Amino acid sequence: EDKVVQSPLSLVVHEGDTVTLNCSYEVTNFRSLLWYKQEKKAPTFLFMLTSSGIEKKSGRLSSILDKKELSSILNITATQTGDSAIYLCAVPNTNAGKSTFGDGTTLTVKP
Amino acid sequence: NAGVTQTPKFRVLKTGQSMTLLCAQDMNHEYMYWYRQDPGMGLRLIHYSVGEGTTAKGEVPDGYNVSRLKKQNFLLGLESAAPSQTSVYFCASRNGQANSPLHFGNGTRLTVT
Repeated sequence: EDKVVQSPLSLVVHEGDTVTLNCSYEVTNFRSLLWYKQEKKAPTFLFMLTSSGIEKKSGRLSSILDKKELSSILNITATQTGDSAIYLCAVPNTNAGKSTFGDGTTLTVKP
Repeated sequence: NAGVTQTPKFRVLKTGQSMTLLCAQDMNHEYMYWYRQDPGMGLRLIHYSVGEGTTAKGEVPDGYNVSRLKKQNFLLGLESAAPSQTSVYFCASRNGQANSPLHFGNGTRLTVT
């Protein structure tokens, strides 16, 4: 059975701090790992990672995949209150057409 | 484009009542999914569909049924609601390319008393 584990489950920081969120996986037929951000409503797509060691970056957010360690990290630098959200990691099982999600990391950024 | 639209946004049911949640997407996506989200438990897959006329069970299918009669619509039914089905339900869709990201609706908050 596919498994995705995220840590920490929750995190409270102050504006300006840098945070690192972790995602580890045990899946068959691994092809990619995706990160999503969920504020009040629908999760929205952040990054898709397919190759080890290649960093994806968008503003203050960046992410990298380590296939040897079966894990990925999501970094947020100079955090802002608008970064407060649940960050979800998902790994698609392409043979079955479905994705397995981790439980998410709830990030709270205080002013 | 509206993307993925879920109706209703909120609903309160009594134990034993039935209801149908509707999901509609206008992106011509092949794949559609129903998830439930409970505090601290992430997104759990209920049922999904890889194309019109097909459905498959996810991790937590008991107590739910689905239908995909038209490509753009995916219906989730609760035949006899139970308090354990109190949750936020999300519909999602994606195209048929491997690794394509999910597009989510804004969710339906269901309370069963």
